[in-house]
Amino acid sequence: AQKVTQAQTEISVVEKEDVTLDCVYETRDTTYYLFWYKQPPSGELVFLIRRNSFDEQNEISGRYSWNFQKSTSSFNFTITASQVVDSAVYFCALSEEFQGGSEKLVFGKGMKLTVNP
Amino acid sequence: ETGVTQTPRHLVMGMTNKKSLKCEQHLGHNAMYWYKQSAKKPLELMFVYSLEERVENNSVPSRFSPECPNSSHLFLHLHTLQPEDSALYLCASSQARYNEQFFGPGTRLTVL
Repeated sequence: AQKVTQAQTEISVVEKEDVTLDCVYETRDTTYYLFWYKQPPSGELVFLIRRNSFDEQNEISGRYSWNFQKSTSSFNFTITASQVVDSAVYFCALSEEFQGGSEKLVFGKGMKLTVNP
Repeated sequence: ETGVTQTPRHLVMGMTNKKSLKCEQHLGHNAMYWYKQSAKKPLELMFVYSLEERVENNSVPSRFSPECPNSSHLFLHLHTLQPEDSALYLCASSQARYNEQFFGPGTRLTVL
């Protein structure tokens, strides 16, 4: 079965520090998708990125960047020059084929990031 | 309204009550989901509706009953819940397979 591991449970940094959130996944599928979501204190999960298994190019979006390495089954997320507004729980997720032709997301346990001023 | 909305945002109910959670998506998506998020477990998928057809999830107790009257609305009917069912219930929607799911703000449920 698919599995997503976020080894870090909680990280605390000072504003302007860079921080990397680790994500390691397990899957037997050759085609799969990986996701990162942010959950601020309000509770709503906010979609950040989707990456398919055939695209290993790293991606940068503003202060966010993602490093996908199939060789190590990792999809790490880096926040550069962190800000207080980045404080949230971050989830890594992997798509898994479900019943009836649908799919579901398998989530990691999440990593709580606190950015202090 | 935009995105995915959920009502109520907070709900307190006794174990003998019957209540329903409502989710509405304004994104034109064709799949909707219910997730449970508790302090002890990561996000768990409860139910999937794809093209308004329910995909069975046998691991969910029968005291949770979903309903999807159309592609924009999803309900979760609750009856005779247990205190351990207290959690954040999140609704999500997506378009086609393997696309990102968009989540609502959730309903914080407390069962006394």
